[in-house]
Amino acid sequence: DTEVTQTPKHLVMGMTNKKSLKCEQHMGHRAMYWYKQKAKKPPELMFVYSYEKLSINESVPSRFSPECPNSSLLNLHLHALQPEDSALYLCASSQGDRGREQYFGPGTRLTVT
Amino acid sequence: AQSVTQLDSQVPVFEEAPVELRCNYSSSVSVYLFWYVQYPNQGLQLLLKYLSGSTLVESINGFEAEFNKSQTSFHLRKPSVHISDTAEYFCAVMVGSNYKLTFGKGTLLTVNP
Repeated sequence: DTEVTQTPKHLVMGMTNKKSLKCEQHMGHRAMYWYKQKAKKPPELMFVYSYEKLSINESVPSRFSPECPNSSLLNLHLHALQPEDSALYLCASSQGDRGREQYFGPGTRLTVT
Repeated sequence: AQSVTQLDSQVPVFEEAPVELRCNYSSSVSVYLFWYVQYPNQGLQLLLKYLSGSTLVESINGFEAEFNKSQTSFHLRKPSVHISDTAEYFCAVMVGSNYKLTFGKGTLLTVNP
């Protein structure tokens, strides 16, 4: 199994809503990532979890809250988002210390109204 | 800090023609290099990687890239493209084991019949 799965595929939420994005991998990878991608732009790193601990936070606003319940799962909790947060949110994973290449999921298309 | 330059934002070609997508990077230390492809409304797929060893790397679908340390380049080539190769191509670099991928701005390859 070489897949990273993400749910939901699409999400529309209001600015007062609370929602969560989910990511799962079964490749035994120990590093997991959240990226944000705006239209016609490259992905921008948001968070990195290494061995289930948050190792990188790229100064992301607190309305985005990551969580890594175990080595296979990664969540992104969303609260009080702004319309400019509308984007494709990508999850990725890599082996960790030994692996450099990151494998991406299909993404969640988020629209904030 | 490392940076990646993709010199062409768009490359239109005819089917069965050869193509080269250019990528240059800047880093004062050794790097790991990647090409990712993104089809419309999908996540990123790893196309090629250079970690060490042979400077010429190949993918299963006919793409190849050559790491040129003196020119700090990692250009992507294919001798004969298909309509299905139409996609956005991102070059990316990683320094050491810091988990951070730095992406170029992307090149939209459009293959016309």
